[in-house]
Amino acid sequence: GQNIDQPTEMTATEGAIVQINCTYQTSGFNGLFWYQQHAGEAPTFLSYNVLDGLEEKGRFSSFLSRSKGYSYLLLKELQMKDSASYLCAVLDSNYQLIWGAGTKLIIKP
Amino acid sequence: GAVVSQHPSWVICKSGTSVKIECRSLDFQATTMFWYRQFPKQSLMLMATSNEGSKATYEQGVEKDKFLINHASLTLSTLTVTSAHPEDSSFYICSASVGDRGYNEQFFGPGTRLTVL
Repeated sequence: GQNIDQPTEMTATEGAIVQINCTYQTSGFNGLFWYQQHAGEAPTFLSYNVLDGLEEKGRFSSFLSRSKGYSYLLLKELQMKDSASYLCAVLDSNYQLIWGAGTKLIIKP
Repeated sequence: GAVVSQHPSWVICKSGTSVKIECRSLDFQATTMFWYRQFPKQSLMLMATSNEGSKATYEQGVEKDKFLINHASLTLSTLTVTSAHPEDSSFYICSASVGDRGYNEQFFGPGTRLTVL
């Protein structure tokens, strides 16, 4: 079966750095997405990785290791507005998005 | 660019009635649109994938006669929840993408919160 694992909830302090991990087992791989979703709102795109390595975009970075079936989203200089759920999704061999359950990130002052 | 709208934003209806939700790509033509459902504190669940001018492809366990999807144009897809029941209360989100495989970035609509009394 296809499976994506990410922690259910994480807590971090404003101004700090947090890393949200995602491991996946899917039938084929055509890329991995990270989305941010605030409560009651639709997801918004953060990043897309299809090759190994680190992609940096402002305060957010995303890393991928295809051989390990592993990705992480790194958030730096945390702000209160970063409190949200972060969804990891993998595009499988049929180009279908397989979604993780999401990681709820709580930022404390 | 790449804005997707949904209407209505929220709807409350009585059990047994039908509700139609519209999803529009405002500034691009979407070859593929996706319909998701999300229950509280759960992840997105793909309900169906629709391509303009063809029948939608439903995920296993999703009743196609209950959730009618019409993708009449490259900018509009509709989801009709027929004979809605309280267990259909959920957050319904559509997304749209361009490209022949639908693997490009999905642009999400703001979602529609459905409450069935």
